[in-house]
Amino acid sequence: AQKITQTQPGMFVQEKEAVTLDCTYDTSDPSYGLFWYKQPSSGEMIFLIYQGSYDQQNATEGRYSLNFQKARKSANLVISASQLGDSAMYFCAMRGSGYNKLIFGAGTRLAVHP
Amino acid sequence: GAGVSQSPSNKVTEKGKDVELRCDPISGHTALYWYRQSLGQGLEFLIYFQGNSAPDKSGLPSDRFSAERTGGSVSTLTIQRTQQEDSAVYLCASSLSVFEQYFGPGTRLTVT
Repeated sequence: AQKITQTQPGMFVQEKEAVTLDCTYDTSDPSYGLFWYKQPSSGEMIFLIYQGSYDQQNATEGRYSLNFQKARKSANLVISASQLGDSAMYFCAMRGSGYNKLIFGAGTRLAVHP
Repeated sequence: GAGVSQSPSNKVTEKGKDVELRCDPISGHTALYWYRQSLGQGLEFLIYFQGNSAPDKSGLPSDRFSAERTGGSVSTLTIQRTQQEDSAVYLCASSLSVFEQYFGPGTRLTVT
């Protein structure tokens, strides 16, 4: 069975600092995709970044990068130069081969302090 | 362009009543998903539509839940005989590829 684990219920970071949000996953599928979403207090789910299991390089999107360690089954999100607007819930999710539904972790609440 | 829209944004209903939640996906997106998010929790998959294929209903929690998608576009999630444990935010998403899913703003359902 597929599973996503986010072990950090809450994280704090100082504005302009970098922060890493942890995500580990479990799957027996050889092909899968990993996603990160941001959910501000307004409730919408905002797609941040995607990493395919066969991608050779770590995905990057602006200030977001995904530290993909396949052997350790981890897909940590790194946010560089944190901004106050980064304060939100962050969800890691996985899509396995043969289906397109996303399996979500429990989320990490990030608070950025000035 | 327009994103995924959902209506109503909020719904309060009495226990035992039926409710219908609507989702308008992004135009041209062939895949449509429903998820449920209980307070302070992650998202739970409910059902998935892809084109004209039979939907994947594996996430529906009980036979009180059903969904349809008409004309490959708009979808309606119906909950019959609502229970208090059905209270949650119901999120719809659509996609054109496997690399991303775009979510709507959700419908907050409260069963009293």
